[in-house]
Amino acid sequence: QQKVQQSPESLTVSEGAMASLNCTFSDGTSNNFRWYRQHSAKGLEVLVSIFSDGEKEEGRFTAHLNRANLHVSLHIREPQPSDSAVYLCAVSITGGNNKLTFGQGTVLSVIP
Amino acid sequence: DPKIIQKPKYLVAVTGSEKILICEQYLGHNAMYWYRQSAKKPLEFMFSYSYQKLMDNQTASSRFQPQSSKKNHLDLQITALKPDDSATYFCASSQMGQGGERLFFGHGTKLSVL
Repeated sequence: QQKVQQSPESLTVSEGAMASLNCTFSDGTSNNFRWYRQHSAKGLEVLVSIFSDGEKEEGRFTAHLNRANLHVSLHIREPQPSDSAVYLCAVSITGGNNKLTFGQGTVLSVIP
Repeated sequence: DPKIIQKPKYLVAVTGSEKILICEQYLGHNAMYWYRQSAKKPLEFMFSYSYQKLMDNQTASSRFQPQSSKKNHLDLQITALKPDDSATYFCASSQMGQGGERLFFGHGTKLSVL
């Protein structure tokens, strides 16, 4: 059964400093990776999707995937206080009926 | 405007009762899902439907029954409620129900069972 672990559990950064979040997964056949942000007011929004090793950028959000190391990360450039939220890593396998396995989340706080 | 509408936003129930959580999507998608987020646990997959047919069920208990009366509806009936059922239930949808698609989530229904 797929296990997805995120680290750190919580992270505090200053406005403008880079924020880096990590996610490891257990099933090496996984090939779909998404980072979601969970705001109490806005629900769940997808930030970036990545399907092959390397880097994928969507605005200020960049995902890095290394499937050999079972690792995907999210880097947030120039974070703002409005980026304070819970960040969730979601992993799935093509053909798997879109069954996403989520990590437990990283609580990001961006201080002015 | 939210494109996936979940009703109600908050729900309080007593142990042993039955409740229906409503989900409607206006994205024109053919696949819909239910996920659950319990306190201190990650979001977990419950059901997936594609073209109103059940595709995957990861819920052990038959007390949870999805109901799809229309293509853009997937309600969740929960019977014989228990305090452990307290959680936020998220409905989601995607274009076709094939792996690798982006899922769009509703804002959730927070259920508290007393």
